[in-house]
Amino acid sequence: EIVLTQSPGTLSLSPGERATLSCRTSQSVSSSYLGWYQQRPGQAPRLLIYGASSRATGIPDRFSGSGSGTDFTLTISRLEPEDFAVYYCQLYDRSPLTFGGGTKVEIK
Amino acid sequence: EVQLVESGGGLVKPGGSLRLSCAASGFGFPNAWMNWVRQAPGKGLEWVGRIKDQTDSGAADYAAPVKGRFSISRDDSRRTLYLQINSLKTEDTAVYYCATGGYVNGWPLDHWGQGTLVTVSS
Repeated sequence: EIVLTQSPGTLSLSPGERATLSCRTSQSVSSSYLGWYQQRPGQAPRLLIYGASSRATGIPDRFSGSGSGTDFTLTISRLEPEDFAVYYCQLYDRSPLTFGGGTKVEIK
Repeated sequence: EVQLVESGGGLVKPGGSLRLSCAASGFGFPNAWMNWVRQAPGKGLEWVGRIKDQTDSGAADYAAPVKGRFSISRDDSRRTLYLQINSLKTEDTAVYYCATGGYVNGWPLDHWGQGTLVTVSS
C-alpha cells in the first residue's frame, strides 16, 4: 500500500500570504489519480483538485496543484480568511484509496 | 444539486452493531461508485470502503482495518447506500461520511455528505 506523507503538519500564515503544501508518496504514482481536499472546521471535506492539477467545479483559481512522480504540491496564491482549514491529499487509482495525514493552515 | 444525507449514527456499546444509511439525490446514483470515509475525533480522514455499481459487479472492497466487520450495500431503487458495522470497537468512534466516487475506477470523491457520528463506549 502506498503511503502519502504531507508536510508541514501545520502552516502558520497571514491572510494574503502564499501557502505551499507538500504531499509525497512512498512510490511513484500517476498524477491522474492524485487529489486534494479542504476541510473547514465542523464541515465535511470538499474536493479542490483532481488529477494533480485540475480544479474541481467552483474552486477559485487561487488554488493550484502541481507535481508528478512522488512529489505533489498544493499552492494557495493569496490566503483568504475562509482558506484557513485542513488540507488532505489522496490517491484514488485503486483500492485501498489512501489519504495523507493532513496539513493545517492556521492564522498567524 | 447533489445531496448526500447520512443517518443512523449514535451511541453504541462495544461489541454492538449499527447500520448507517446515506440517502442520495441529484445524480445518477444507480450508476455511481459510492464510498464511506470516517474521521475519528481530532484525527485525519480514513477511507473505509466502496461499492461499485451493479453493472460493474456491485462488489464492495474495504480498508484492511475494517475488513470482515464492515459491510457496504446499496438499494438503487431507494437511492440509498448502507454501511453495516458489526463487533464495534472503541476505535470505531468517528464521524462517518458517504461520498460519491464517480462512475468508473479512478475517480475522486467529488461530493460528500455532512456525516453521522458513531460513538462506541460502555
